[in-house]
Parts: sequence; C-alpha cells; structure tokens
Amino acid sequence: DIVLTQSPALAVSLGQRATISCRASESVRSSMHWYQQKSGQQPKLLIYGASNLASGVPARFSGSGSGTDFTFTIDPVEADDIATYYCQQSRNDPYTFGAGTKLELK
Amino acid sequence: EVQLQESGPGLVKPSQSLSLTCSVTGYSITSNYWGWIRKFPGNKMEWMGYISYSGSTSYNPSLKSRISITRDTSKNQFFLQLNSVTTEDTATYYCARLRLGGGFDYWGQGVMVTVSS
Repeated sequence: DIVLTQSPALAVSLGQRATISCRASESVRSSMHWYQQKSGQQPKLLIYGASNLASGVPARFSGSGSGTDFTFTIDPVEADDIATYYCQQSRNDPYTFGAGTKLELK
Repeated sequence: EVQLQESGPGLVKPSQSLSLTCSVTGYSITSNYWGWIRKFPGNKMEWMGYISYSGSTSYNPSLKSRISITRDTSKNQFFLQLNSVTTEDTATYYCARLRLGGGFDYWGQGVMVTVSS
C-alpha cells in the first residue's frame, strides 16, 4: 500500500499562509487530493489532481506537486479554516489517506 | 444537487454483520463510482471499496473476504456489508461519490457504528 505522511499539526496566525505537506512512499503522479474536515462534519474535497480547485472552493486554497511530494496551501488563513486536512491518493488500489494535519491558531 | 445519506444500525455485536445503506439523490448511481470510507476513533481514515457505474467492485485487501458492496439501481441506493465484525470495526462510516479522475467530491454525513456486546 502507498503510505502518505503528513505532519500531525500546524499552528498559524490568522491572515498568514499555512503550508501542509504530504509525502507518498512511491510515486502517485498527480493522483493526489486534499480534503478539509471540521469537527462533526463529513470531509470536503478542496483539491483534486494535485492542483485543481474543486467546485465552489475559494482561491485561497491551492495545491501543488507531483510524484511523491505534495503541498497544500491556504493563503491567507481565515478563522473558518480551522480543521483537519487530509491528503489521499488514487493512483493505486487500495486508495490511501494521510493521517491528517490539524490546523491550529497561534 | 447530489446528496448522499447513510443509514443503518449504530450498534452491532461482535461476530455479526454490519449492514449500511447509502441513498443517493440528484444523481444516478449508474454513472460514476461510489465508495465507502470509514474514519476510526483517533482520526485514521480507510478506503473500504467502491462499486462502479456498471456494478463492478473493488475492495481494500485489508478487509479480505469480509466486505461486500452491492446496489439497487431502481432505488438509487448502494450497500455495504461487513461480516464478522470486531471492536476494531468501530468507526464512522461514510459513503461518497468518486469523481472521474479521482477524489471523492460528494459525501454523506456519516453514520457512527459501534461494535460492542
């Protein structure tokens, strides 16, 4: 299985940039997707195909990368962005998720 | 608007089967792929499997022969059955649509299932 490694938490100030990384144990090409999950809610797709903004998602969110190294960015961070962010690959079955990065306020 | 809603018992006894239904409105399950994902206490997420627009399936090997995903196109529903459950199957279960090109773009609200005697 492809293992996706994310940092467990990131502390950021409102109005600043948040950058979350996801490293894959082998290449997933551009088959990487990013989700936001707030407490008590279902995950929400923000980025698909490494860098494509999902429908209705603000342009403050962006993604980049290919192969094994991916980055998800929020710029600027707003209070409503406090959540856990997951990467997920669909290059190979079984699809796998990262452990999630909890975005916290400084 | 595409909407998904999971339903099923919130409590299952060990060794029994877990059965969930995902009801889809606003889109036909004879298009796209439709999956089940679960989130364990502690936040780990696991893709369980999917059923395609044609009815073919793919499952996570970690679930071996315990899992089955089926559908009823007349009701626009698809189903999860997980056999021989243990306490380690306690999780919140989500159904979701898999967009062509990857990524789950529509999710149900999730149903919490506890396995306990």
